[in-house]
Amino acid sequence: NAGVTQTPKFQVLKTGQSMTLQCAQDMNHNSMYWYRQDPGMGLRLIYYSASEGTTDKGEVPNGYNVSRLNKREFSLRLESAAPSQTSVYFCASRVTGDSNQPQHFGDGTRLSIL
Amino acid sequence: AQSVAQPEDQVNVAEGNPLTVKCTYSVSGNPYLFWYVQYPNRGLQFLLKYITGDNLVKGSYGFEAEFNKSQTSFHLKKPSALVSDSALYFCAVRVFSSSNDYKLSFGAGTTVTVRA
Repeated sequence: NAGVTQTPKFQVLKTGQSMTLQCAQDMNHNSMYWYRQDPGMGLRLIYYSASEGTTDKGEVPNGYNVSRLNKREFSLRLESAAPSQTSVYFCASRVTGDSNQPQHFGDGTRLSIL
Repeated sequence: AQSVAQPEDQVNVAEGNPLTVKCTYSVSGNPYLFWYVQYPNRGLQFLLKYITGDNLVKGSYGFEAEFNKSQTSFHLKKPSALVSDSALYFCAVRVFSSSNDYKLSFGAGTTVTVRA
């Protein structure tokens, strides 16, 4: 059981390049999330999707777009990367409808923008 | 706004000693609180949660947390720390969204170092 899988694990981009971060879960979860982690700031929510076909902005959505391709996959796109987007990106998922269930996280994508 | 705060950036303890990681919350209504742990180069792993009921919650790896409503705190504890407990710990609070789901608002994290 792979859980939440993120690709790639590492990436270096130049300013202005575009990139899509991939996330897939095999737990049949409805809800999926994208976070960024920066030192001293914890995790901040970028976008989330409560179900296939729906997406909502989180705390820090500017500069990002998302696609909920199907129930399993939720991708995050940087259209024109900026140095301020250097961060570790985490995808998470959980069962919708049971508010007691925790979120399950992938191992992250470490993104550096030069 | 629903939020949590972790007042300590770092906690250092000797192996075998008690470990406490502090978290305070600010919510309207009943808080739903979580603790997660992050080991180097890994994602966050769920440790435990408080929803309702007993104020002492037991979780994974021998951790427990005490919910204190009067002090608005949810401190993570372990009676006897291990070197392998060295990691980054996050407190989080549930925040409902408009799409019948919930989001998590995280604290800044506390780095725990357990020395042998």
